[in-house]
Amino acid sequence: QVQLVQSGAEVKKPGASVKVSCKTSGYTFSAYYIHWVRQAPGQGLEWMGWINTNSGGGTKYAQKFQGRVTVTRDTSISTAYMELSRLTSDDTAVYYCTRDMYMIQFDSWGQGTLVTVSS
Amino acid sequence: QSALTQPPSASGSSGQSVTISCTGSSSDYVSWLQQHPGKAPKLIIYEVSKRPSGVPDRFSGSKSGNTASLTVSGLQAEDEADYYCTSYAASNPPVLFGGGTKVTVL
Repeated sequence: QVQLVQSGAEVKKPGASVKVSCKTSGYTFSAYYIHWVRQAPGQGLEWMGWINTNSGGGTKYAQKFQGRVTVTRDTSISTAYMELSRLTSDDTAVYYCTRDMYMIQFDSWGQGTLVTVSS
Repeated sequence: QSALTQPPSASGSSGQSVTISCTGSSSDYVSWLQQHPGKAPKLIIYEVSKRPSGVPDRFSGSKSGNTASLTVSGLQAEDEADYYCTSYAASNPPVLFGGGTKVTVL
C-alpha cells in the first residue's frame, strides 16, 4: 500500500532552518509529484510548493515562500525533502507532504511533522 | 485571507444533508479534503465530482460557474470534521485552498 512517512517533530530557534523528509513506499516514486502543505495551529491548509519527482526534478513554490523554501528529492531512496530557512514564530505549523495523482488529486498524505519555532 | 471562500461552519442533524460552497475558482480541477482533529487530510472528491475508491457515495461534488459545492447526504457522526476545497489555478500560487468549513452533526 502507498505510504508517506515523515520525519519527526522539530524545535528550532528563530532564524534557523528546518529540513523535513517524506519517505514514500508502495508505488513508483518518480511517477507522481509531491507537494508540501502546512497548517498553523488552529488554522487552515496552506500550499507551499511541489516537486516533479522524475529525472527533471522541477519545482514550483508559492510566491510567499520564494527564496526561503527548497524542495528536493532523492529518487534512490524514494524520499522528498522540504527545507525552510529564516524561520520565525509564524512558521510554527504542522507540515505535510502529499502525493498528487494528477492535477491536485492529493490521494495520499504523510502523517505530518510539527515544527515549533521558539526562542 | 484564502483565495477560495468557504463558510466557516455548517451543521445538520444526523441523517440529513449539508452542502458546503467554495467560491473563487472556475477550474475543472477542484478537490475536497476531509480532516478530523489531529489527523492528516483525506481526499474525498477530485475533479469536481469524482470519488476516490472507498469514499462513500454520501459525498458528492458539483460546480456552477466559479462556485464548487460539496454535499454530504445522510449525515453520520463520523462526518463531523473540517472540510477544505482546493483548486488548481493558472497563477501563483497554482494551488489554492479554501479557509475550511467545520461541519457539526447535531
